[in-house]
Amino acid sequence: SYELTQPPSVSVSPGQTARITCSGDALPKKYAYWYQQKSGQAPVLVIYEDSKRPSGIPERFSGSSSGTMATLTISGAQVEDEADYYCYSTDSSGNHRGVFGGGTKLTVL
Amino acid sequence: EVQLLESGGGLVQPGGSLRLSCAASGFTFSSYAMSWVRQAPGKGLEWVSAISGSGGSTYYADSVKGRFTISRDNSKNTLYLQMNSLRAEDTAVYYCAMEGILTGADAFDIWGQGTMVTVSS
Repeated sequence: SYELTQPPSVSVSPGQTARITCSGDALPKKYAYWYQQKSGQAPVLVIYEDSKRPSGIPERFSGSSSGTMATLTISGAQVEDEADYYCYSTDSSGNHRGVFGGGTKLTVL
Repeated sequence: EVQLLESGGGLVQPGGSLRLSCAASGFTFSSYAMSWVRQAPGKGLEWVSAISGSGGSTYYADSVKGRFTISRDNSKNTLYLQMNSLRAEDTAVYYCAMEGILTGADAFDIWGQGTMVTVSS
């Protein structure tokens, strides 16, 4: 079955740039989406179609994709950005089956 | 305001059944695909199933195919997940999510608050 691979954890100091990667064989053909989930809350979409930012999401959140890797970048990370981040995509089989990455715990301290 | 409200979770024995509901409000329900996503305690997100706006197309993760059935009643603005032959590993918070109402993309724009399903004897 199709898998998306993320690092389990990333740690930065406030004001630094955090980068979270997501690798998957179908990413050259399929968009990546990124979700932020804070403790006890439902996920929130922060990046869609590789690099687009929904209304209301701070400009410090950006996304990119190249080859089999998508990257979520948080420029000037703030304490309130501490959360779990998940990438999401679909496989390339045409079955419209979604898959989430394992998640990355971002620590900002 | 766009809202999704799940219900129907609870404690069920292994091998049992449960039906989850997701009531939608604040938008034209039939215009948007919907999905169920679950999260086992302390674990990551897992996509479970999706359904097109008309209900004519459905999709399932391998882990639930043949046991779960997704459906929708557009006249009642409600999404369902019928879960049969439940296993301990199905224990999770189940979220309903809708695609594209804010972004126009195949993204889960709006999420419900989740409903907990516990499979245990």
